[in-house]
Amino acid sequence: DTAVSQTPKYLVTQMGNDKSIKCEQNLGHDTMYWYKQDSKKFLKIMFSYNNKELIINETVPNRFSPKSPDKAHLNLHINSLELGDSAVYFCASSQGTDRGRNTIYFGEGSWLTVV
Amino acid sequence: GNSVTQMEGPVTLSEEAFLTINCTYTATGYPSLFWYVQYPGEGLQLLLKATKADDKGSNKGFEATYRKETTSFHLEKGSVQVSDSAVYFCALPLSTGGFKTIFGAGTRLFVKA
Repeated sequence: DTAVSQTPKYLVTQMGNDKSIKCEQNLGHDTMYWYKQDSKKFLKIMFSYNNKELIINETVPNRFSPKSPDKAHLNLHINSLELGDSAVYFCASSQGTDRGRNTIYFGEGSWLTVV
Repeated sequence: GNSVTQMEGPVTLSEEAFLTINCTYTATGYPSLFWYVQYPGEGLQLLLKATKADDKGSNKGFEATYRKETTSFHLEKGSVQVSDSAVYFCALPLSTGGFKTIFGAGTRLFVKA
């Protein structure tokens, strides 16, 4: 069973479109994240949720809207896609946020290409 | 502010060579420190971690020692294999202002047969 699963794995779409990436974790973790990885492999946090509550919004444009319907799911919706949004988006989770529970488990990534 | 700096890559080695990837950090307090590895086409996965000063994390032949005096957590392996070719990330979890883990820029390792 995949611990953190996200869909779709590959997404090619035109500028201006709206798209969603879904994420589910079956680890029973309290905390979930979205990270963005650019073409140089640089990894930056976008959002962090703890028990369905948003705790980090790292100066991400309003076009990006996360939604956590329950602790096990954290979806990412992107409006009006731009060329610069092309990247790999990783969903991830951890048991919690304190020492000893903060190991992060990553999904396999969603490769988004905006043309 | 809080930051993680790791050596730029790529690093190219022959099989059985010794590997060192440097990582230094800036943070308040004494955070845990992590190394994650990303194999081609996959997400990151935990390689090893250390939770306090002088701790040594180890896994799959890799080691890193948490050095408070030099604020470093260098990754080492005595004899690399082709299968170790990947991108390695040093990571620092922060507990101030919410919670997040910041990652170094990643170091790509190529191991030649």
